[in-house]
Amino acid sequence: DTGVSQDPRHKITKRGQNVTFRCDPISEHNRLYWYRQTLGQGPEFLTYFQNEAQLEKSRLLSDRFSAERPKGSFSTLEIQRTEQGDSAMYLCASSIRGRGGQETQYFGPGTRLLVL
Amino acid sequence: DAKTTQPTSMDCAEGRAANLPCNHSTISGNEYVYWYRQIHSQGPQYIIHGLKNNETNEMASLIITEDRKSSTLILPHATLRDTAVYYCIVRARSGNTGKLIFGQGTTLQVKP
Repeated sequence: DTGVSQDPRHKITKRGQNVTFRCDPISEHNRLYWYRQTLGQGPEFLTYFQNEAQLEKSRLLSDRFSAERPKGSFSTLEIQRTEQGDSAMYLCASSIRGRGGQETQYFGPGTRLLVL
Repeated sequence: DAKTTQPTSMDCAEGRAANLPCNHSTISGNEYVYWYRQIHSQGPQYIIHGLKNNETNEMASLIITEDRKSSTLILPHATLRDTAVYYCIVRARSGNTGKLIFGQGTTLQVKP
């Protein structure tokens, strides 16, 4: 257990429905990342926050995806009008940048989404 | 960030050392080498990282060549629970984003 938690762990939904995932990072970590992982592939970066500011978004993050991190604590990732191609594992990671720019990300267990 | 090349798969006998290579020939001076592993259906787990010196922790050792163009992750006494996909990632020390760029990794199978 890294201290990063994600909820739910599994989600099955029908195409066209909206889903929301939550990530609770390690408490003192000011950076929070979302990644997506499809079967047989390595995780792919989606977006990241420093405190409450969303500083970078991948081109993978279509306009159906939105992420928030109110008050710089937990984060939510919402997918609207889900498509079968959204089926994947959604991973959250948190980190704190140390001296010299070193930063180690710790991952949560992931939320596995299946869109029928 | 520099690209890494790893073998697709490797086998190791239980109790023996597992040596996982990684090539990163375009690495620059401010880039670290990070290793993560992912056991089936779990989130990636941080193992170790280094800049230019060899590093050791309770999980593994990291050997970086003098020219920093390649590295080897060593699991000294592999167990069945070490069966996983191992990712070697090169990431800049500074800069605005700390995002990790994962490749395909090496699938390590530890056999009894």
